[in-house]
Amino acid sequence: GDSVTQMEGPVTLSEEAFLTINCTYTATGYPSLFWYVQYPGEGLQLLLKATKADDKGSNKGFEATYRKETTSFHLEKGSVQVSDSAVYFCASRGTSYGKLTFGQGTILTVHP
Amino acid sequence: GAVVSQHPSRVICKSGTSVKIECRSLDFQATTMFWYRQFPKQSLMLMATSNEGSKATYEQGVEKDKFLINHASLTLSTLTVTSAHPEDSSFYICSAQTGPDQPQHFGDGTRLSIL
Repeated sequence: GDSVTQMEGPVTLSEEAFLTINCTYTATGYPSLFWYVQYPGEGLQLLLKATKADDKGSNKGFEATYRKETTSFHLEKGSVQVSDSAVYFCASRGTSYGKLTFGQGTILTVHP
Repeated sequence: GAVVSQHPSRVICKSGTSVKIECRSLDFQATTMFWYRQFPKQSLMLMATSNEGSKATYEQGVEKDKFLINHASLTLSTLTVTSAHPEDSSFYICSAQTGPDQPQHFGDGTRLSIL
């Protein structure tokens, strides 16, 4: 079945540091890929998405590129802020009707 | 746009009672809603997929008689945890989408604590 693997956290950075959270997937066919963010005590918010190879999703300074050759969708941000502290989930959606497969989540903490 | 409201946000109740959680799409019609369970510091586990007007499809290992799902309209789905016990304590999150190729929009979750 489909699976998503994220780099293990937690990740702790200083403000304005560069962020990378790795995500790789296994799937049959060509899934759509997503990054969701979850703030403490809240549900998930869609951060960005990409639906085909070489697509780049971007939002709020975050970006991720769908790399079919490496089956990856790494999340990057050039300069993180304290307000970016949250849990980040990578997810794929393949052929099953709308069902998402989530990675295990990566906790990001940004210090002033 | 694409707001999903989940209610209640937190509930504490005694063992043996039943608890109903509502999930509403406020500004769109959701053909499909999903119910997830999240354990502390873990990922989301899909419990069931619910299509309006039909029976929910439960994931393997999820007791359908324990977790009753009703999707009576295009804007409302409910999850009822029947005869809840402490091991049912968890964070339950719903999501909704307008179609299979559209993103899922998530509610803010319900923290269920069974004493």
